[in-house]
Amino acid sequence: DTGVSQNPRHKITKRGQNVTFRCDPISEHNRLYWYRQTLGQGPEFLTYFQNEAQLEKSRLLSDRFSAERPKGSFSTLEIQRTEQGDSAMYLCASSQLTGSPLHFGNGTRLTVT
Amino acid sequence: AQSVTQPDIHITVSEGASLELRCNYSYGATPYLFWYVQSPGQGLQLLLKYFSGDTLVQGIKGFEAEFKRSQSSFNLRKPSVHWSDAAEYFCAVGNQAGTALIFGKGTTLSVSS
Repeated sequence: DTGVSQNPRHKITKRGQNVTFRCDPISEHNRLYWYRQTLGQGPEFLTYFQNEAQLEKSRLLSDRFSAERPKGSFSTLEIQRTEQGDSAMYLCASSQLTGSPLHFGNGTRLTVT
Repeated sequence: AQSVTQPDIHITVSEGASLELRCNYSYGATPYLFWYVQSPGQGLQLLLKYFSGDTLVQGIKGFEAEFKRSQSSFNLRKPSVHWSDAAEYFCAVGNQAGTALIFGKGTTLSVSS
């Protein structure tokens, strides 16, 4: 169990640029979740996958955001035309069974200048 | 609406003193309840979980929590706090179906010597 891995750890980008983050879940976990966390707040749900199927998307996930999990293993989260309000920590988590605890990665911190 | 409330934004406790962090939830279904801890710049680590059965659950690092259905609460306790416990603590609620967890806004714990 190597844990959930997220890359990059930090990303600084200029407003209007596109960014992509990667998450590698724990290998036997079939559920993968994306959350966003801003300073002083708890994690806010964005979307989750069961295997390669995206089962739920939050209304926080505007049309500039897209997530994929093409082979049911790693996942990517892309933000197009970034805005300063997108600056946050983006957390990925995975779980093995429905209802089981989520295991979180260390996150990708995005700063939009 | 489904929600988690952590009434205390920031708590300071003396090292060696006892600790209780409050959590109240509003959830339509039978809740699965979790406490996570987050150190600065890190992801979230699971402290303990409640699914069913004994309402007093034990977790890692000497933490415990008690589920009180009548009060819709799931408070976290520790009999003797250590300086290394200083961190941010999040309560979360989920369900058996494994849809996304809903997190509270967190309580920051400071430990004074």
